[in-house]
Amino acid sequence: AQTVTQSQPEMSVQEAETVTLSCTYDTSENNYYLFWYKQPPSRQMILVIRQEAYKQQNATENRFSVNFQKAAKSFSLKISDSQLGDTAMYFCAFMNHNSGNTPLVFGKGTRLSVIA
Amino acid sequence: DGGITQSPKYLFRKEGQNVTLSCEQNLNHDAMYWYRQDPGQGLRLIYYSQIVNDFQKGDIAEGYSVSREKKESFPLTVTSAQKNPTAFYLCASSIAAFSSYEQYFGPGTRLTVT
Repeated sequence: AQTVTQSQPEMSVQEAETVTLSCTYDTSENNYYLFWYKQPPSRQMILVIRQEAYKQQNATENRFSVNFQKAAKSFSLKISDSQLGDTAMYFCAFMNHNSGNTPLVFGKGTRLSVIA
Repeated sequence: DGGITQSPKYLFRKEGQNVTLSCEQNLNHDAMYWYRQDPGQGLRLIYYSQIVNDFQKGDIAEGYSVSREKKESFPLTVTSAQKNPTAFYLCASSIAAFSSYEQYFGPGTRLTVT
């Protein structure tokens, strides 16, 4: 079974600084998708960024970018120019694409606090 | 505005009572999902449905039941057989199941059973 590990339960960053959230996953498959979701205090889950495993280029969405290391099974999220509105729980998620239909597997989350 | 609605936001029940959580979407999505979120546990899949009149168990289906009679609606019943029902419940939908398509989430329902 696939597993997703987020080793940092909590992190903090000063406003305007850069922070990196870690995520590792375990799979024997070659074709899969990776996601980062954000859950602010309102508890509304929002997709931040997605990466297809077959793409070597790291995904970027404005201030959010990933460092996808397929061999190391690592998928970290970098937030640049952190803003107070980035304060949230961040969940890394994995979806296998090869071996039939499988649902999203979520990590346990990292609570990020942006400090003014 | 297209989206997913869950009602109510907060729900209180006595132990031994069944309770049904509502989930409606107007995104014309085929796939719908129910997740349970507990502190420090991330999201765990309870049930999912790829199409009307079809649904499958997720990782923690025991004590829960669902129906999918309409494309727009996927209600979740928490039965008295669920040993620890107090949690935050999230409903989601996507264009198709198990694809790279984004899952859209509702605002959630906080269920407290005493």
